[in-house]
Amino acid sequence: GAGVSQSPSNKVTEKGKDVELRCDPISGHTALYWYRQSLGQGLEFLIYFQGNSAPDKSGLPSDRFSAERTGGSVSTLTIQRTQQEDSAVYLCASSQGGVSGELFFGEGSRLTVL
Amino acid sequence: GNSVTQMEGPVTLSEEAFLTINCTYTATGYPSLFWYVQYPGEGLQLLLKATKADDKGSNKGFEATYRKETTSFHLEKGSVQVSDSAVYFCALVDTSYGKLTFGQGTILTVHP
Repeated sequence: GAGVSQSPSNKVTEKGKDVELRCDPISGHTALYWYRQSLGQGLEFLIYFQGNSAPDKSGLPSDRFSAERTGGSVSTLTIQRTQQEDSAVYLCASSQGGVSGELFFGEGSRLTVL
Repeated sequence: GNSVTQMEGPVTLSEEAFLTINCTYTATGYPSLFWYVQYPGEGLQLLLKATKADDKGSNKGFEATYRKETTSFHLEKGSVQVSDSAVYFCALVDTSYGKLTFGQGTILTVHP
């Protein structure tokens, strides 16, 4: 696609429910990253995919968080048993890979846990 | 580990004022440095970058110089416009696979 697409753009859920957030990277981009943006915390790295594998999951905050990528394309971030502190904007970015640091970001999925 | 520290905002300026947003970093070696910008309702986008010491990145009237002696990468613009109102993030590339470490972000508001 023309850019990184994320869905849903907004999600309101109740504490304890599971949520899935989807990311469609730019076609041909092999690297995919998830970040979390919350007030006072800036941008936190969550996980990195190269193709379908995730060699760096160091930023996932707890075992309630998981992510997968299929077909070297779409990625899903799943949060189980959501807590209020999970409320944030979840950003996905993709790149052609390598060390360039030039990432292309989606507009994010805003998650609100009541 | 590597880290990035930005001046805290928010920053409020009048149109045509001079802008500086300070950024310092802690890193092993000399990683590439970046400024990303997030306009209202849009995703983050790369504003400029510098890949080695003394490099100057520039774009849209913004400039930043990679200073290894002061471990800094301050963002400057000589005359801001209302359309520059956004959140600005300083970042460094943290790994061989392009993972970025970001600063906290600085909210800039420019009034007519």
